[in-house]
Amino acid sequence: AQSVTQLDSQVPVFEEAPVELRCNYSSSVSVYLFWYVQYPNQGLQLLLKYLSGSTLVESINGFEAEFNKSQTSFHLRKPSVHISDTAEYFCAVRTSYDKVIFGPGTSLSVIP
Amino acid sequence: EAGVVQSPRYKIIEKKQPVAFWCNPISGHNTLYWYRQNLGQGPELLIRYENEEAVDDSQLPKDRFSAERLKGVDSTLKIQPAELGDSAVYLCASSFGETQYFGPGTRLLVL
Repeated sequence: AQSVTQLDSQVPVFEEAPVELRCNYSSSVSVYLFWYVQYPNQGLQLLLKYLSGSTLVESINGFEAEFNKSQTSFHLRKPSVHISDTAEYFCAVRTSYDKVIFGPGTSLSVIP
Repeated sequence: EAGVVQSPRYKIIEKKQPVAFWCNPISGHNTLYWYRQNLGQGPELLIRYENEEAVDDSQLPKDRFSAERLKGVDSTLKIQPAELGDSAVYLCASSFGETQYFGPGTRLLVL
């Protein structure tokens, strides 16, 4: 069965510091990988995705994630965070069977 | 392009009462999903539609939950009767391809 692990439930980080949010998955089949962000009282918004091709994908607001097949990971990184990045971040895996599994989420708190 | 629309945004009911949620997906998206998100957790799939057909409802508690997607566009999710443990955010999403797009959700509180 597929599963998604986000080991860090809460990550506090100072403004302008770098951050990495970890995501590991288990799947016996090929997957698509996603990061979603959820601001308070809002729905999930797609941040970035890996479907195929280059293993390094970027978002428009400075986040990036790298697909590592051997380590079954898709960690999210940003070199310098802003206050506005404070939110809940969810990693998700979609298999070729159209099953989408979400991780439990990581709460990122940016400290001024 | 309009996003996924859900209503109501908030609902407070007493246990044993019925409740219904409505979702209008993005135009042209043939796949529609209903998720439940408990506090501090990721979304969990309740049901997935391909056009009018429910292709995955394995996680839907069928004794009290029901859903429909008439004409393959809008969808409603119903709970009858509601229980205290149903308090959660109910998210609707739609897709045409690999990426899902989510609505703002309906926050349900059962008292």
